[in-house]
Amino acid sequence: GESVGLHLPTLSVQEGDNSIINCAYSNSASDYFIWYKQESGKGPQFIIDIRSNMDKRQGQRVTVLLNKTVKHLSLQIAATQPGDSAVYFCAEISNAGGTSYGKLTFGQGTILTVHP
Amino acid sequence: DTAVSQTPKYLVTQMGNDKSIKCEQNLGHDTMYWYKQDSKKFLKIMFSYNNKELIINETVPNRFSPKSPDKAHLNLHINSLELGDSAVYFCASSHLNTEAFFGQGTRLTVV
Repeated sequence: GESVGLHLPTLSVQEGDNSIINCAYSNSASDYFIWYKQESGKGPQFIIDIRSNMDKRQGQRVTVLLNKTVKHLSLQIAATQPGDSAVYFCAEISNAGGTSYGKLTFGQGTILTVHP
Repeated sequence: DTAVSQTPKYLVTQMGNDKSIKCEQNLGHDTMYWYKQDSKKFLKIMFSYNNKELIINETVPNRFSPKSPDKAHLNLHINSLELGDSAVYFCASSHLNTEAFFGQGTRLTVV
């Protein structure tokens, strides 16, 4: 299940299940969104991105959905594997389409645990 | 062939000391960053340089001073270290307004 509180949200799934990790953002000017995966002892690693002119983008076993109306982003992982266990972060850049610099801001992060 | 490399990986030092963390990227990116990750895993941007020019300077104590000798390097110097500076510091790089690539992190412990 998923829990939200003073600690990082957590999601526990069985190997082979599909996982959905959610993220809410508040900046209406954000127009570029990225999902990162951070394994223990490593830096965040790029998974997939999406620009605000899209509402869905698919990669290998991952899909990102963007709902600009409610400022919500989700990452779907198909057939989750133990190697997917990590902390997942959403990140956003505002005014990314312009020539001025947009700050890459990270969300809170969700701990995904995959049980064999 | 590490894309973004930072050294050292671990740094243990006493309060009051001055220390530096080095970062280099070989991706040809024009923008580099320093992020701080606290014990709750929250990642907060500290500084960003674009073409060696400081473009983001968040609310960070002036004991922290970034230096970018060229586009491929962004070092972080910290003066008069305090207990609260203990964290993992990540260097990253990107092209302007695109996804950032992160180093492996430097775990700083101030005792």
